[in-house]
Parts: sequence; C-alpha cells; structure tokens
Amino acid sequence: QKEVEQDPGPLSVPEGAIVSLNCTYSNSAFQYFMWYRQYSRKGPELLMYTYSSGNKEDGRFTAQVDKSSKYISLFIRDSQPSDSATYLCAMTSNSGYALNFGKGTSLLVTP
Amino acid sequence: NAGVTQTPKFRILKIGQSMTLQCTQDMNHNYMYWYRQDPGMGLKLIYYSVGAGITDKGEVPNGYNVSRSTTEDFPLRLELAAPSQTSVYFCASSYSSPATAGYTFGSGTRLTVV
Repeated sequence: QKEVEQDPGPLSVPEGAIVSLNCTYSNSAFQYFMWYRQYSRKGPELLMYTYSSGNKEDGRFTAQVDKSSKYISLFIRDSQPSDSATYLCAMTSNSGYALNFGKGTSLLVTP
Repeated sequence: NAGVTQTPKFRILKIGQSMTLQCTQDMNHNYMYWYRQDPGMGLKLIYYSVGAGITDKGEVPNGYNVSRSTTEDFPLRLELAAPSQTSVYFCASSYSSPATAGYTFGSGTRLTVV
C-alpha cells in the first residue's frame, strides 16, 4: 500500500461550486500536512500547512485533518477558473527528511 | 529574491548522452531535493541533501548522481541518458526539516531523451 493515496481525477466543477479534495494515508507518524497547487508547466507552490488534527482556514481555502481516520481534505469555496490546477497533498513526520506526496488531483473550474 | 532557480528549462538529449541539471537557491536553505514528475505518477524523490557535503538517495536514484559543495547549489547529473529518464525534474529546498514549513520548488526542467 502506497503511503499517501490521492484520486487523480480529473475533477470538473462549475464556477462558484464548493470543491472537496482528499487524501488518505497509512503512516500514523505523519503529523505535518500540506497542500500544494501546481499550475500547468509550473512548479508546485505551497497553499496550506497544518499541524496535527483540526481545521485551518485561509480565505476561500480550508484544510482539514482527521488523524483518527488518516484522512485529510482541502475545501475550496466559491471556486474560480483561476483555481484550475493540480492539487497535491504532502505530509511528513517529526523525523521525516522529506515530504511524502500524493499523485495529485487535476481540477478544472469552468466559467 | 529569486528563490529556487533551475536551468535549463528544456532539453532534448540523445540516448547515451550526459548532462547536468543545475539548481541554485538564494534563501540559505540547508535542505535541498531533486524530484522527477511523470504523468499520473506524482513526485518521486531522486536524491536529497541536508547540508553542504551531505547527500543521500531517495526513492529512484538509479542513473543519477548529485553533489553538494555549497549551501546554494545542488546539481543533478544524468549519465548515459535513457528514454526512461524522460520526465520533468523539480528541485526544491527547505530551511530545515520540511515538517517546519514545507518546500520551495523551482520551476522545473523538462527533459526528453530520444
């Protein structure tokens, strides 16, 4: 079983919709969780960073971590065409030397 | 502040040729990484470094070599290029453990081996 699982999509939604992106993981030592956004032919950029369980909100974006279920989510409210990108989840432990990435979910927001 | 700079942006190599992908960061980050990204396969770690003079293998190191003589530079060497090395290569850096703040990525090098 791969350590981080993420549905690759593609996911297509109309502008203004609420988007839910998810990852599951198997390593209970993971405590630090991130979401990266990657536009076509660009490098990933850090979007959200959370530690342990709970929610974190930043504008239209909310990151949620449920460690008991080993499940993390990213919600995008009032989605915009400019949100069209690939979203990668990433996570690591206290002693981790590198991030463990999901394969990424491709999102298309249509006007 | 340039962040992480990768050169070249694009390259076509013939089978058996060698090349070096350059990566430089100006943020005084200690940790640096090389990933490759293939369609539908996500990011796979090739090599990483926790400081000048210290490097270690990641998940897919075969066919690659690295060196880290300075804090700023972390070049990736491809010897005897093969079609399987066709990919997009990303360099990334972090000040300390990625648990603290994640990575900063470069914009990538798109490599085709023919």
